[in-house]
Amino acid sequence: EAGVAQSPRYKIIEKRQSVAFWCNPISGHATLYWYQQILGQGPKLLIQFQNNGVVDDSQLPKDRFSAERLKGVDSTLKIQPAKLEDSAVYLCASSLWFRTSGTGELFFGEGSRLTVL
Amino acid sequence: QKEVEQDPGPLSVPEGAIVSLNCTYSNSAFQYFMWYRQYSRKGPELLMYTYSSGNKEDGRFTAQVDKSSKYISLFIRDSQPSDSATYLCAMQLTGGGNKLTFGTGTQLKVEL
Repeated sequence: EAGVAQSPRYKIIEKRQSVAFWCNPISGHATLYWYQQILGQGPKLLIQFQNNGVVDDSQLPKDRFSAERLKGVDSTLKIQPAKLEDSAVYLCASSLWFRTSGTGELFFGEGSRLTVL
Repeated sequence: QKEVEQDPGPLSVPEGAIVSLNCTYSNSAFQYFMWYRQYSRKGPELLMYTYSSGNKEDGRFTAQVDKSSKYISLFIRDSQPSDSATYLCAMQLTGGGNKLTFGTGTQLKVEL
């Protein structure tokens, strides 16, 4: 079974430039997540989709970050304009099961490492 | 105060040692407790999960949850160099819709 695919793996940009990351979840996984992991910290949820609808984007800096999940499959996370503090690894994850109770395993991609100069 | 606290390490142990990794948390409403392992430049992968209090064992790994103390632990027996990674604890509320709150991770190195 293919895992969560992300691209690009690495990106270096200057501050105020824009960048986009792409994620293809595991086939059949209805729930997709974008996490931000700053060096030395645990992952922080930015946005969660159920199919193509947003479930939680409470920690997404909406003045500069945007995300979409067209047709309930692939997703794109965009940052515009980037700031120095956006330097981090952006992890995409997907899960098979979303309910209001219980939990389902999250499967993570390898991440997209962003450096903002 | 962070919701989930975890000693960042690094923790270095000899091969064969018993390793104890710990997290404390402040939100008593957390009901699901997980341990994820993250190798360098890879995404986290689920190692174990426990619902509410108690112990769970899987091979060389044992997860313990003490809700009264708001304290969770992961024990690794007979540690191997392949166990060298960062270990992240994660927690979820009941009805939390798979929304996880992660600790900062503990970096473990098992040396030959």
